[in-house]
Amino acid sequence: DVKVTQSSRYLVKRTGEKVFLECVQDMDHENMFWYRQDPGLGLRLIYFSYDVKMKEKGDIPEGYSVSREKKERFSLILESASTNQTSMYLCASSFGGDVNTIYFGEGSWLTVV
Amino acid sequence: GIQVEQSPPDLILQEGANSTLRCNFSDSVNNLQWFHQNPWGQLINLFYIPSGTKQNGRLSATTVATERYSLLYISSSQTTDSGVYFCAAHLTYSGAGSYQLTFGKGTKLSVIP
Repeated sequence: DVKVTQSSRYLVKRTGEKVFLECVQDMDHENMFWYRQDPGLGLRLIYFSYDVKMKEKGDIPEGYSVSREKKERFSLILESASTNQTSMYLCASSFGGDVNTIYFGEGSWLTVV
Repeated sequence: GIQVEQSPPDLILQEGANSTLRCNFSDSVNNLQWFHQNPWGQLINLFYIPSGTKQNGRLSATTVATERYSLLYISSSQTTDSGVYFCAAHLTYSGAGSYQLTFGKGTKLSVIP
């Protein structure tokens, strides 16, 4: 089975802190994604990566950056956390090329106070 | 961009009942997926179904790409089917490097004993 693992299930951070959310997949997938999910807004794509060191902005990249130094790992970085970044963050991966079946991690609930 | 609309937004079923969830999309797609999000936030991929019909146990899905809709059927519902069901679509002509799935806002299903 495909396994997408997010490092933290629940986090509480202070405004202005730098926050790292880590994601690892074990299926040698080329594509990796970071989404955030908010009530009434559904899932929105923050960033995606289709190869090591490659990244593309999604719908809402402001306030975020990403890093993909190894194929299996995709990190989401909140440079200076703000309360409006309180959300559920979901990592996902899929095989390369056009979007194939996509697999999600369990999600990380981030609260910024 | 593509619009993905799901109906109904909420659905309450008695255990054992059948249901049909609908997903309409505004443009030609080459990728249509259905997901189930359980009450703990985990998103599970149910079907990758850009066209045709697939079945997996009590669940089946049909996509009619020419008419721009997909249906998810749940038969003999169980309490464990509760959660939110999302469909997500990818445009046929999204351009190079575009791997973005657009999600609908989901159907919240509650199955009561």
